Amino acid sequence: QVQLKESGPGLVQPSQTLSLTCTVSGFSLTSNGVSWVRQPPGKGLEWMGAIWSGGNTAYNSALKSRLSISRDTSKSQVFLKMNSLQTEDTAIYFCTRSGYNLDYWGQGVMVTVSS
Amino acid sequence: AIQITQSPTSLSASLGDRVTLTCRASQDINNKMSWYQQKPGEVPQLLISYASSLQSGTPSRFSGSGSGTDFSFTISHLQSEDFATYFCLQGYSLYTFGGGTKLELK
Repeated sequence: QVQLKESGPGLVQPSQTLSLTCTVSGFSLTSNGVSWVRQPPGKGLEWMGAIWSGGNTAYNSALKSRLSISRDTSKSQVFLKMNSLQTEDTAIYFCTRSGYNLDYWGQGVMVTVSS
Repeated sequence: AIQITQSPTSLSASLGDRVTLTCRASQDINNKMSWYQQKPGEVPQLLISYASSLQSGTPSRFSGSGSGTDFSFTISHLQSEDFATYFCLQGYSLYTFGGGTKLELK
């Protein structure tokens, strides 16, 4: 069955870079896109960016200057890197399978930005 | 970027009520609207895709409609497990979420 699982550090210092990994199973990255979505505590959902089946990427314009998404298809992994983290980047970070909707989601990883 | 306006932001209702949420897109998105339910501490669950298509396992009391810029999501007979936050999402041009509607028990 389709599964996605995020992994990465739970705590990042301000101004540092966040690196997260999404490991997928049950589908191919060369046939499906994967997005990253985040949710600050008690707030709504924000689409961050995606990597499509062909390897092209797209980003939320508000995050584009700080965000990079890449993948390793041989390992079925998608990577997120976001630099210059601030306290407002504290959130749960989800990876999701992406088509015209986001149909499967990982459990999410809580990332706290704090010194 | 396409903007999505979701209303209301919160709603109090009783068991058995019929409730309707709406999302408006800033431009025509055809039928590329989906609806999600999220309970506290849980992952959002896709309920409806392509504006009106129920996902497998979504109870029939949930429905969606609309096309173009105006979309609605209805729960016809509220059950206790339906009290949650609901989000809409446009997938026509990249993705934009609505701000969410928190559905609470009156």
